[in-house]
Amino acid sequence: AQSVTQPDIHITVSEGASLELRCNYSYGATPYLFWYVQSPGQGLQLLLKYFSGDTLVQGIKGFEAEFKRSQSSFNLRKPSVHWSDAAEYFCAVKGNSGGSNYKLTFGKGTLLTVNP
Amino acid sequence: KAGVTQTPRYLIKTRGQQVTLSCSPISGHRSVSWYQQTPGQGLQFLFEYFSETQRNKGNFPGRFSGRQFSNSRSEMNVSTLELGDSALYLCASTISAGHEQYFGPGTRLTVT
Repeated sequence: AQSVTQPDIHITVSEGASLELRCNYSYGATPYLFWYVQSPGQGLQLLLKYFSGDTLVQGIKGFEAEFKRSQSSFNLRKPSVHWSDAAEYFCAVKGNSGGSNYKLTFGKGTLLTVNP
Repeated sequence: KAGVTQTPRYLIKTRGQQVTLSCSPISGHRSVSWYQQTPGQGLQFLFEYFSETQRNKGNFPGRFSGRQFSNSRSEMNVSTLELGDSALYLCASTISAGHEQYFGPGTRLTVT
């Protein structure tokens, strides 16, 4: 069964500092990988996705993520954080074949606080 | 293109009642999935519909059900509500299984 681990429950950074949110997944092959962001009381907004090809993917709002097969990781990065980036971030995995390709499996999320 | 819409946004029900939530997918999207989000369990998959057929179901009791209409709109129903059903219910739509899912704003259900 596929699974996702986000080791950091809560991260605090200063505005303008760099950010890296960690994500490790478990899946038998190369899965589809996603990062979503959720502001309080809102739904999930897709930041970026990895399906295949270039392992460094660019997303919206200046975010990027790097797929590392050897480490089963898909870490999210941003070079300079803005106060509006404060939210909860979810990493998700979806199988790419057979009976596992219909649902997203999410990590528990990382809450990002941005200090002025 | 309009995003995924969910109605109502907020709902308060009493234990033992039933509730129906509605989801309208992005135009052209034929697959609709439902997720439950709680502080304790996080985001969990409920079920997925495609072309009016439930293709997949998560590990939830039979009190949770759903359906999809010919225009791809979907509803989910929870019968005999329990306090533990209090959650944010999220609907997501996608063109097909091999594509990303787009989420609606959710319906916040509170059971008292």
